[in-house]
Amino acid sequence: DVKVTQSSRYLVKRTGEKVFLECVQDMDHENMFWYRQDPGLGLRLIYFSYDVKMKEKGDIPEGYSVSREKKERFSLILESASTNQTSMYLCASEPGGKDGYTFGSGTRLTVV
Amino acid sequence: GNSVTQMEGPVTLSEEAFLTINCTYTATGYPSLFWYVQYPGEGLQLLLKATKADDKGSNKGFEATYRKETTSFHLEKGSVQVSDSAVYFCALSGANSGYSTLTFGKGTMLLVSP
Repeated sequence: DVKVTQSSRYLVKRTGEKVFLECVQDMDHENMFWYRQDPGLGLRLIYFSYDVKMKEKGDIPEGYSVSREKKERFSLILESASTNQTSMYLCASEPGGKDGYTFGSGTRLTVV
Repeated sequence: GNSVTQMEGPVTLSEEAFLTINCTYTATGYPSLFWYVQYPGEGLQLLLKATKADDKGSNKGFEATYRKETTSFHLEKGSVQVSDSAVYFCALSGANSGYSTLTFGKGTMLLVSP
């Protein structure tokens, strides 16, 4: 089975800190995605990448950036964390086409 | 743009009851449709999918049929169990040539009591 691993399940950071959320997949998938999940809002796409060093903005990219230096790793960066970025962050990958995503277990980030 | 509308929850059922969670969508072209399930404290897992009109996806007793005429993809199960308690997300893909971005509904929580 494809495995998508997010480095932290729970994270607490201070306002203004630079935060890195790491995601690694082990099945050579081309495409990787970062979503955030908030009560009442569902899942919203932040950024995605369809190739190494390529990135595309999703629906809510403001305050975030991403890095994909290697095919298996896709990092989400909060340049200066704010309290409104407290959320559950979900990483996903897919091989391309219409097969659907494989998700990681999520990182619950709290910014204080 | 693409959008997915799900019935609001929570849906509360007794064990062995029949389940329906409604999902309708708006999309251009011919998207694929998905149901994902999220158990407490976990990420989302793909439950079932359908890639073209009239396809039926099924898995673990759950079913959903891709209805293009009504733009719907309702999730059903004949007899729910306590272990089915989770949040269910309907989603559609806006496939491009090499990748697809999923648009999700807001999720429907299902609570099954013994």
